[in-house]
Amino acid sequence: GAVVSQHPSRVICKSGTSVKIECRSLDFQATTMFWYRQFPKQSLMLMATSNEGSKATYEQGVEKDKFLINHASLTLSTLTVTSAHPEDSSFYICSARLVAGPNTGELFFGEGSRLTVL
Amino acid sequence: AQSVTQLGSHVSVSEGALVLLRCNYSSSVPPYLFWYVQYPNQGLQLLLKYTTGATLVKGINGFEAEFKKSETSFHLTKPSAHMSDAAEYFCAVSAPTGGGNKLTFGTGTQLKVEL
Repeated sequence: GAVVSQHPSRVICKSGTSVKIECRSLDFQATTMFWYRQFPKQSLMLMATSNEGSKATYEQGVEKDKFLINHASLTLSTLTVTSAHPEDSSFYICSARLVAGPNTGELFFGEGSRLTVL
Repeated sequence: AQSVTQLGSHVSVSEGALVLLRCNYSSSVPPYLFWYVQYPNQGLQLLLKYTTGATLVKGINGFEAEFKKSETSFHLTKPSAHMSDAAEYFCAVSAPTGGGNKLTFGTGTQLKVEL
């Protein structure tokens, strides 16, 4: 099946610094990727939709200047948490939409990235 | 607008017993429905999905779910639980535009399997 990889899987940073998380589709091209945030023991909340070659679409209440998303190629989307604060600590998960083949439209999820801001 | 309600944040079953995880949805259009499993500190893996056609959907690892429009339900079942089934399970709904674009997730059900 299609594989989506996130890096890093865990990151610890100091308050005020910026952190970049990568989401790669390893064996397929993804024109659309999604970024989710998951708080402990809670569900996934969609943050934004990342479209290759265009600006991301953010969900209501998500600060676009805080969570910068770049989708520069058909296999890579990045999420940068700028000026991180402890309340940004969370599990961030990306998914990529398969646009070709028998399972067109199906979403494949990365392993997630746990961010801890000290 | 769409929403998903998962009844029971924690379900505990004995190994070999029936697994039943409940999911009810709300959608203004015929929905696409999904069940995902999440193991600790990992992403989500698709168990099964309903888009159109047969209302009883079979997935991986022996799981199946039945779409019941009259009850707005999509409950997940497995005849015999295995220790390896212990995980968090999420029901999700999306509108049938592109098959799985913006997913709305339920709050999840933690399945515990006991000896």
